[in-house]
Amino acid sequence: AQSVAQPEDQVNVAEGNPLTVKCTYSVSGNPYLFWYVQYPNRGLQFLLKYITGDNLVKGSYGFEAEFNKSQTSFHLKKPSALVSDSALYFCAVDHKLSFGAGTTVTVRA
Amino acid sequence: EAGVVQSPRYKIIEKKQPVAFWCNPISGHNTLYWYRQNLGQGPELLIRYENEEAVDDSQLPKDRFSAERLKGVDSTLKIQPAELGDSAVYLCASSSSAGLVQFFGPGTRLTVL
Repeated sequence: AQSVAQPEDQVNVAEGNPLTVKCTYSVSGNPYLFWYVQYPNRGLQFLLKYITGDNLVKGSYGFEAEFNKSQTSFHLKKPSALVSDSALYFCAVDHKLSFGAGTTVTVRA
Repeated sequence: EAGVVQSPRYKIIEKKQPVAFWCNPISGHNTLYWYRQNLGQGPELLIRYENEEAVDDSQLPKDRFSAERLKGVDSTLKIQPAELGDSAVYLCASSSSAGLVQFFGPGTRLTVL
């Protein structure tokens, strides 16, 4: 079965510092990988996806993710976090979107 | 362009009562999904439609849940009768075809008392 794991329930960083949200996956074959963000009282919003091609994927709001096949990882990164990046982040795999449990990101001013 | 529309946004019912949720996807999107999100967890797929055909309903609890997408546009998800454990946020999403980016609605928060 396709699945993803987000090993950290929470990530706390200071504004201006790099932000990393971790995701590992378990799939048979080539994965479709996605990152979504959920702000309070709002729907899930697409950030970026990896289907094929360049391992470094750039997405919305300055986020990027690196697909690492040998480590079966797809970590989300942002070089300089903003307070407005505080939200719940989900990694997902496959077109049916098997979601991880989510990581709450808090960026302090 | 209008996004995915869901109604109602909130619903509170007594257990054993029926409840229905409505979703209107983005215009032109053939694929429609219903998810359930429990508190503190990621969404779980309940059913996926390609046009009016349910192509994946393996996670739908068929004893009490039903869904329809009669004309391949908007969709209704029903629970009858509701149980306490059904309290969750029910999300609808759509995409132009399977495998591509899904756009989510704001969800319906169901509370079963």
